[in-house]
Amino acid sequence: DTGVSQDPRHKITKRGQNVTFRCDPISEHNRLYWYRQTLGQGPEFLTYFQNEAQLEKSRLLSDRFSAERPKGSFSTLEIQRTEQGDSAMYLCASSLRTAQEGTIYFGEGSWLTVV
Amino acid sequence: AQRVTQPEKLLSVFKGAPVELKCNYSYSGSPELFWYVQYSRQRLQLLLRHISRESIKGFTADLNKGETSFHLKKPFAQEEDSAMYYCALSNNQGGKLIFGQGTELSVKP
Repeated sequence: DTGVSQDPRHKITKRGQNVTFRCDPISEHNRLYWYRQTLGQGPEFLTYFQNEAQLEKSRLLSDRFSAERPKGSFSTLEIQRTEQGDSAMYLCASSLRTAQEGTIYFGEGSWLTVV
Repeated sequence: AQRVTQPEKLLSVFKGAPVELKCNYSYSGSPELFWYVQYSRQRLQLLLRHISRESIKGFTADLNKGETSFHLKKPFAQEEDSAMYYCALSNNQGGKLIFGQGTELSVKP
């Protein structure tokens, strides 16, 4: 499968711990997106990269959240000092062009449960 | 404010019945509209985009700028259409998508 891959698929952590998710986009896709999805809601945009540059961050992304894409390939999303409200599915997506010009492909997501 | 609203959380129809999943949006410019679908145990995937004006798996969607709507329609529902459907818009800036809350379509035999 050469689609968007995310790791880990599931993570249970204690409140206050740090967690990191990794996303490997489809090869040669220069755009990479992070979304968060909670039960009963659609995906909410968090941030996106074009190559290694982080071009937009949502106000949803508090100071405890940081995303990187150091070499313009894979990306990591770190959540520091996790809170119960961080429990959600974290989705990664990638595309070769903008949504208007091409298709955005989603990964299967990383489930986070904060206990 | 940019917003996508899907008023129905759940839509249940019988096989062969027509289906209409509603989507309304608010956006000050000229957005691009999309429908994404998530089948059970599968990842979110693009179903169709308004700019292509195509029919995918028998589904069509017409952008009505006057009513700011982009409803998804299919004349005869099939059981394999059962899934979560998300309407989304792109704001022409960077390509991020803004999603609605989703509608679960259940097609009964």
